Amino acid sequence: DAKTTQPTSMDCAEGRAANLPCNHSTISGNEYVYWYRQIHSQGPQYIIHGLKNNETNEMASLIITEDRKSSTLILPHATLRDTAVYYCIVRVEDGGGATNKLIFGTGTLLAVQP
Amino acid sequence: ETGVTQTPRHLVMGMTNKKSLKCEQHLGHNAMYWYKQSAKKPLELMFVYNFKEQTENNSVPSRFSPECPNSSHLFLHLHTLQPEDSALYLCASSERGLSGNTIYFGEGSWLTVV
Repeated sequence: DAKTTQPTSMDCAEGRAANLPCNHSTISGNEYVYWYRQIHSQGPQYIIHGLKNNETNEMASLIITEDRKSSTLILPHATLRDTAVYYCIVRVEDGGGATNKLIFGTGTLLAVQP
Repeated sequence: ETGVTQTPRHLVMGMTNKKSLKCEQHLGHNAMYWYKQSAKKPLELMFVYNFKEQTENNSVPSRFSPECPNSSHLFLHLHTLQPEDSALYLCASSERGLSGNTIYFGEGSWLTVV
C-alpha cells in the first residue's frame, strides 16, 4: 500500500471548518483513500473513504485531487468532540484475495479550540 | 456504539497469570481482527480471522493465543506476558477478511502487565 504523509498536528477554532491534508504521491490506480480518527483512549472510528471522486457523508467530506496524489478531509463545523488523531490510509481494494489490512501511520492530532 | 464490544475495558495482570480478552461483534460480519497499540506507536495488526479461519498471524509471540469459535466472537488468551506487552488491544470486524471491506473497531481493552 502507498505511503501517506500528514502534518503532525493542527489547530482549529470551534465552529470553523477543519481541513486535514494528506499526501499520497505514490498512490496506484486501484488504491482507495481511507480516513479514520481515534479519540483519546478509544478505538479508531471509520470516517469516510474514496477512490477519485469527492465523497460526503454525515461526518465529513473527502476531496481528492485530480491527480490523486493528495486529499483533504473536511469537517465542516468542528466541535470540541472532534479533537482526535486523524489517520489517512491508502490501501488496495482489488478483491483479489489479499487479506484485508489497515496500515496505520502516526496521523494528525487535531485540536479544536473553544 | 460501534457494534464491536470488547471486555474487559481494563485489565491488570501479573506476568505469571493467564487471562483472556473477549470481543463480540453485532454487525453480521465474517472477519475479525486483533490490533495492538503500544504507547506512542502506531496500531499494529496481530491476527486476522476470516469465517473462523486464521488467515494472518503477524509474527505474534506464542504467549498471545487467539481463538475464534464463530464469526461473532473472538478471544485473545494471554499467558506469561511481559511488562512490554502492556498496551491497548483493539478488536475489529469487517464483512469479509478480503481487501475491499471497511473495518470497524471496538473501544479496546487496556492491558497492564505488572
